[in-house]
Amino acid sequence: GAVVSQHPSRVICKSGTSVKIECRSLDFQATTMFWYRQFPKQSLMLMATSNEGSKATYEQGVEKDKFLINHASLTLSTLTVTSAHPEDSSFYICSAREYYNSPLHFGNGTRLTVT
Amino acid sequence: GDSVTQMEGPVTLSEEAFLTINCTYTATGYPSLFWYVQYPGEGLQLLLKATKADDKGSNKGFEATYRKETTSFHLEKGSVQVSDSAVYFCALSDSWGKLQFGAGTQVVVTP
Repeated sequence: GAVVSQHPSRVICKSGTSVKIECRSLDFQATTMFWYRQFPKQSLMLMATSNEGSKATYEQGVEKDKFLINHASLTLSTLTVTSAHPEDSSFYICSAREYYNSPLHFGNGTRLTVT
Repeated sequence: GDSVTQMEGPVTLSEEAFLTINCTYTATGYPSLFWYVQYPGEGLQLLLKATKADDKGSNKGFEATYRKETTSFHLEKGSVQVSDSAVYFCALSDSWGKLQFGAGTQVVVTP
């Protein structure tokens, strides 16, 4: 079945540095990718919707300058957390779909810890 | 806006017990409804879905019926196993295809 690969699975960085998380669709072309953030014991919060070749659409309250999303190809989207702070520590999950009504496939998530 | 409310966990039960996780939703239009499962250390996986009223989704012994009159999509399994221990998320898909998730319910099944 369709697979979405997310890398890295875990990353620890120092406050003030930037971290890039990759989301790849391995056996299908993803016209749309979504980025979620999951707080401990809480639900997934949609951060942004990314369509290939266009700017990401951010949800209300999500800082677009802090969370840079790029979807430059049909198989790759990246989320860059810029100038990371400890409060950015969280579990980030991407999902991807081929077409509008196609099933969503999720990556295994990235645990970001900012020290 | 659209939202999903599901029962809080953790839900602890013994193997072979009956499991119900309540899920209700509010939405404009006619959303599709989903249950996702997150096993320890893994990503989310689609468990089942229903796209219209009265549809029943089923998979791995789990079932849920799309009830428009009660705006509910409760998850049930007749006889749980230890391997069913996970966090279960109810979700709806809005008109843009974006998923809104409930808070998740942790299920712990003991031998």
